[in-house]
Amino acid sequence: QQPVQSPQAVILREGEDAVINCSSSKALYSVHWYRQKHGEAPVFLMILLKGGEQKGHEKISASFNEKKQQSSLYLTASQLSYSGTYFCGTDELTGTASKLTFGTGTRLQVTL
Amino acid sequence: ETGVTQSPTHLIKTRGQQVTLRCSSQSGHNTVSWYQQALGQGPQFIFQYYREEENGRGNFPPRFSGLQFPNYSSELNVNALELDDSALYLCASSLWRLRFQGTDTQYFGPGTRLTVL
Repeated sequence: QQPVQSPQAVILREGEDAVINCSSSKALYSVHWYRQKHGEAPVFLMILLKGGEQKGHEKISASFNEKKQQSSLYLTASQLSYSGTYFCGTDELTGTASKLTFGTGTRLQVTL
Repeated sequence: ETGVTQSPTHLIKTRGQQVTLRCSSQSGHNTVSWYQQALGQGPQFIFQYYREEENGRGNFPPRFSGLQFPNYSSELNVNALELDDSALYLCASSLWRLRFQGTDTQYFGPGTRLTVL
């Protein structure tokens, strides 16, 4: 079962902030965030690990609530280049492979 | 440091045919994962290869198969193509560590756009 992302779409003016949420019904080891522009590959933004460690982008922050299996991505002072579809990928506490299950995405459009 | 590369960029096949897609992993990476992305959807995990063996598989039929070579590059093979196989096929490379000692960041290649007519 794939994680649920909200909102499905958001339009911002340059300089505004946005929050994208990702929620899973399964116990998670980590959450990965990617941004994908039309016709391009997903680009890695951030990993949040069980236990609180974060690795990622300088201008993007995120949180991971392990008890609720929820993650949020915070985009501050948005720029035109932030436009694209944001996906969270969740890694569950099972198996030997780090398999990512992706949500349906959040389309973000930043305008002037 | 070279990134993940995939070939071909685009491919058109007809129903029933077979296709092979190729992926070269990023320098220093030893694991390749394959994903299928239908239009407007998030990527779906097909399988992962580590040390030339399949190391985890998603909900895809056996006509989806793969290989990993000693240089860590990989192939995805799809037999008996169906119309629903039309999608963007992405490979992602990562560095395998012991499980639960650090999740591996997966870096995606540009993808192969497959159209089945």
